[in-house]
Amino acid sequence: QVQLQESGPGLVKPSQILSLTCAVSGGAVNNDDFYWSWIRQPPGKGLEWIGYIYYSGSTYYNPSLKSRLSLSLDTSKNQFSLRLTSVNAADSAVYYCARGLAAVKNFYMDVWGKGTTVTVSS
Amino acid sequence: DIQMTQSPSTLSASVGDRVTITCRASQSFSHWLAWYQQKPGKAPRLLIYEASSLESGVPSRFSGSGSGTEFTLTISSLQPDDFATYYCQQYSGFPYTFGQGTKVEIK
Repeated sequence: QVQLQESGPGLVKPSQILSLTCAVSGGAVNNDDFYWSWIRQPPGKGLEWIGYIYYSGSTYYNPSLKSRLSLSLDTSKNQFSLRLTSVNAADSAVYYCARGLAAVKNFYMDVWGKGTTVTVSS
Repeated sequence: DIQMTQSPSTLSASVGDRVTITCRASQSFSHWLAWYQQKPGKAPRLLIYEASSLESGVPSRFSGSGSGTEFTLTISSLQPDDFATYYCQQYSGFPYTFGQGTKVEIK
């Protein structure tokens, strides 16, 4: 059974770079049935979809973050990563990685990691 | 962006009640809608995909329906484990978007 596990620093200073990794076990990231997504949830608030990366390397970034966001895939380590630059307090959230199961040209997120809390503060 | 609006925001109900949550979209689309359940401190859990398809392992008391701009999640007989927050999410167009959530509380 596939499992996802996020990792990264819990505290990031304002204006610096947030880097998170999602390790995938029980399945391969270079599988064309799946899209690999990031979602975040600020404290006490709802869910925001950040973007996805596909096994081919193609990506989609939420326009709200596009100028600061980069997603990458490492098939040798079976993981994918998020890099968000110039962070500020509004980027404080629980960050989830998730597997998207392809359905025609769309996908829904059927497996989620447990989430990792990121706080942006000096 | 497709805006998703859930109602109600909070729902108070008793064990055994039939519960319905509505999700309205700002644009019409077919059936590219999912429902998730989230408990405090936990990741969301997929319940329904393609508006009405039950995810494997999810109890049959959960059901989904709708198309176009109005979708519903129904819990036929609320169980103690069902007290949680529920989110709808459209995957018809990018960026994918979620509703604001509906918290189901104990009455």
